Amino acid sequence: GAGVSQSPSNKVTEKGKDVELRCDPISGHTALYWYRQSLGQGLEFLIYFQGNSAPDKSGLPSDRFSAERTGGSVSTLTIQRTQQEDSAVYLCASSFEAGNTIYFGEGSWLTVV
Amino acid sequence: AQSVTQLGSHVSVSEGALVLLRCNYSSSVPPYLFWYVQYPNQGLQLLLKYTSAATLVKGINGFEAEFKKSETSFHLTKPSAHMSDAAEYFCAVSSGYSSASKIIFGSGTRLSIRP
Repeated sequence: GAGVSQSPSNKVTEKGKDVELRCDPISGHTALYWYRQSLGQGLEFLIYFQGNSAPDKSGLPSDRFSAERTGGSVSTLTIQRTQQEDSAVYLCASSFEAGNTIYFGEGSWLTVV
Repeated sequence: AQSVTQLGSHVSVSEGALVLLRCNYSSSVPPYLFWYVQYPNQGLQLLLKYTSAATLVKGINGFEAEFKKSETSFHLTKPSAHMSDAAEYFCAVSSGYSSASKIIFGSGTRLSIRP
């Protein structure tokens, strides 16, 4: 596609529910990144993919967080048993090659109530 | 491990004044350094990028940044601030030269412009 597409743009969920956030990267981009931006905070690295593999999962906050990428394209970030501290904007970005310029989507705003 | 530090979470300057946002990287010379900008209620966009081809990098909207190896710095400047420059600015670094490289961001600096 023309840009990085994320869905849903907004999600309100009850504490304890599972949520899935989807990212569709720019066509041809091999690297895909997930970041989290909490209110008034910087960008927290979560995980990145090179193709379908994830060389670095070090940023995932807990085992409630997981991500996968299939077909070298779409990625899904799953948060199980959501907690209020999970409320944030989840940003996806992609790049033609890992470590080079990344292009961001508009983000998925998650609110856990 | 590579990291970036942005000094000052909030900078306020008068319209027409010099803008200086500070960024230092932590270790060996990275392959790429970036500045990204996030305008209110908008997504992040690339402002400029250092690639070792030139130490002074020019970006969009009149911004530029100078890479100084001796100071491990990559500060962002603009000679004359406009009201439209009010935004959050993030410095970022590539963690390495291999295909297993990621982009690491600083904590951000919020720039306010006084009329």
